Amino acid sequence: QLQLQESGPGLVKPSETLSLTCTVSGGSISSSSYYGGWIRQPPGKGLEWIGSIYYSGYTYYNPSLKSRVTISVDTSKNQFSLKLSSVTAADTALYYCARQSSIQKGGWFDPWGQGTPVTVSS
Amino acid sequence: QSALTQPASVSGSPGQSITISCTGTKNDIGSYNLVSWYQHHPGKAPKLMIYEVNTRPSGVSNRFSGSKSGNTASLTISGLQAEDEADYYCCSYADGTTLVYVFGTGTKVTVL
Repeated sequence: QLQLQESGPGLVKPSETLSLTCTVSGGSISSSSYYGGWIRQPPGKGLEWIGSIYYSGYTYYNPSLKSRVTISVDTSKNQFSLKLSSVTAADTALYYCARQSSIQKGGWFDPWGQGTPVTVSS
Repeated sequence: QSALTQPASVSGSPGQSITISCTGTKNDIGSYNLVSWYQHHPGKAPKLMIYEVNTRPSGVSNRFSGSKSGNTASLTISGLQAEDEADYYCCSYADGTTLVYVFGTGTKVTVL
């Protein structure tokens, strides 16, 4: 059964770069029909899609975050990673990674990791 | 892209049916049958309940159903049960120039 697990620092200083990794187990990240996606949920707010990556390295990002986001993949480690630069308190959130199907298969997210909380504070 | 609009809360008694709406625009829900719904119990991973407007993944109860009309998608939960109490989010593919996904504002379902 495919499982995803987020990891990374829980506290990041303002103006610095947030870095998270999603480790995939129970299956290969190099699947022709799936992407790896990042989604976040600020405290008391709804979900926000951050961006997604195909195992070949093709990425697409939320236009509102595009200038600060980089998503990469390491197929040898079965991982994909998120970097968000110049963070502010508004980036404080619970960050999730999820497998995402291709548009041809519906573009849905499943399964999801448990989420990892990130606080931006000095 | 703006978030899709959902009611903040919906409630119902056990056994009843409830419907959660998800309103977007012609650029997202109105143009694509790529709407999915997620159930989220706080502290747990969100769970896919519906994809491609009305398709249930294997293992999801047939009490959950989806539909779409114009720019609005809907999730109906029939035979409401206590374990259905959770937050629900819709999500849609949006636009055609770049690949973009937008989530709804979320709906808290309360079982009375």
